[in-house]
This record gives sequence, C-alpha cells and structure tokens, in this order.
Amino acid sequence: SYDLTQPPSVSVSPGQTATITCSGDKLGEIYAYWYQQKPGQSPVVVIYQDTKRPSGIPERFSGSSSGNTATLTIVGTQALDEADYFCQAWDSGAVIFGGGTKLTVL
Amino acid sequence: EVQLLESGGGLVQPGGSLRLSCAASGFSFSTYVMTWVRQAPGKGLEWVSSITNGGLRTYYADTVKGRFTVSRDDSKNTLQLQMSSLRAEDTAIYYCAKDGIEDVVTPFFFDSWGQGTLVSVSS
Repeated sequence: SYDLTQPPSVSVSPGQTATITCSGDKLGEIYAYWYQQKPGQSPVVVIYQDTKRPSGIPERFSGSSSGNTATLTIVGTQALDEADYFCQAWDSGAVIFGGGTKLTVL
Repeated sequence: EVQLLESGGGLVQPGGSLRLSCAASGFSFSTYVMTWVRQAPGKGLEWVSSITNGGLRTYYADTVKGRFTVSRDDSKNTLQLQMSSLRAEDTAIYYCAKDGIEDVVTPFFFDSWGQGTLVSVSS
C-alpha cells in the first residue's frame, strides 16, 4: 500500500517558521493536501492541491511540493497554530493520510 | 453554511453491527463525493470509504472492505455507513466529510467535516 511519511513532532518558537514535511513516492505526480486538527476538534483543510490556501486560512500558511516531498510552512508561527497536522493524497482508488505531525509552539 | 451531522454511534460487541448516518445541509449534496474518515483514540486519521454522487461508485479501505457498506440518499441529503462484523480495532470517532471539488468521480480532499460520532467495539 502507498504510504505518506511525516515527522511525528516539530517544535518551533513563537514568531519563527515551522516546516512540516510529507514524503511519498508519488507526491511529485499527485496532489498533497494538508489538514490542521486541534484537540477535540474536527480537521480543517489548510492547503489543497499542493499550494492553494482555502478562504479563511491565514496567509502565514503555505504549501509546496518538490520531488517526492510536500511541505507545509507556517511563517510567523503563533501559539494558536499548535495542533496536529496531517497530509493527505488520493491515489489508485484510495485516500491516504500521513501519520500526522504534532506541532508544538514553545 | 455547510453542516454535517453524524449520528448512530455507540457501544457494540465484537461481531456486531451498527449503522451510521450523516445529515447534510447548506450545499448541493447530490453533486459532491462524500466520505467517511475515522480516528481511533489518540491516533491519526484513517480513510474508510467514499461514494460518488448518485452512489454510482464506491471506494473502501482494505481494512473495512467486505464488512462496511457506504450508501447515500440524495433525495434526503443523507449519507450512511453500514458496519458489520465489527472488531475492537474499528473503535474510533467516525467523521462524515464533504469533498472539496464538485462533480468528480473520485474523492480528492475534504473541505467540510462533521463533529464525528464515536463507535466503541467492546465486550
């Protein structure tokens, strides 16, 4: 089965840039999507089709994709960005989620 | 405003069955792929099943194939998940999610999620 690999955790100081990666063999050929999930809440899409930001998502969130890696970047990270982040793709009849990255802002 | 409201969760014994429902409003339900995603306690997201408009195509994760059946009633704006032969590892919050792209024949991504309904499989 196809896998998406994320680091389990990332830490960042307030105001700094957080980078979360998602690796998968086909990511150069298929789109990646990113979700933010805060404790006790449902996921929210923050990036779709590698780089697009839905309305209502702050500009500090951006996405990129190069080779087999998709990247979520948060510039000027705020305390309220502390959450779990999941990447996701669709391939060959299945939706795949990465294992998730816990972003800690400290 | 898009609203997705799941119901039907609860405690069930291993081997038992349960039927989840999702009532949708605030968008043209019949033109969107709808999906079930689950999340075991303290774990990540796991895709379960998707269904295209009109129920023409269905997709299942290998972990539930043959045990779960997804369906929809576009006249009532509802999505269902019939779960049978339930196992302890099916214990999770089950989310109903709306696709982010209209009029497609596969799921792409999910721009609206319900609050989820908890399914617990235990004796």
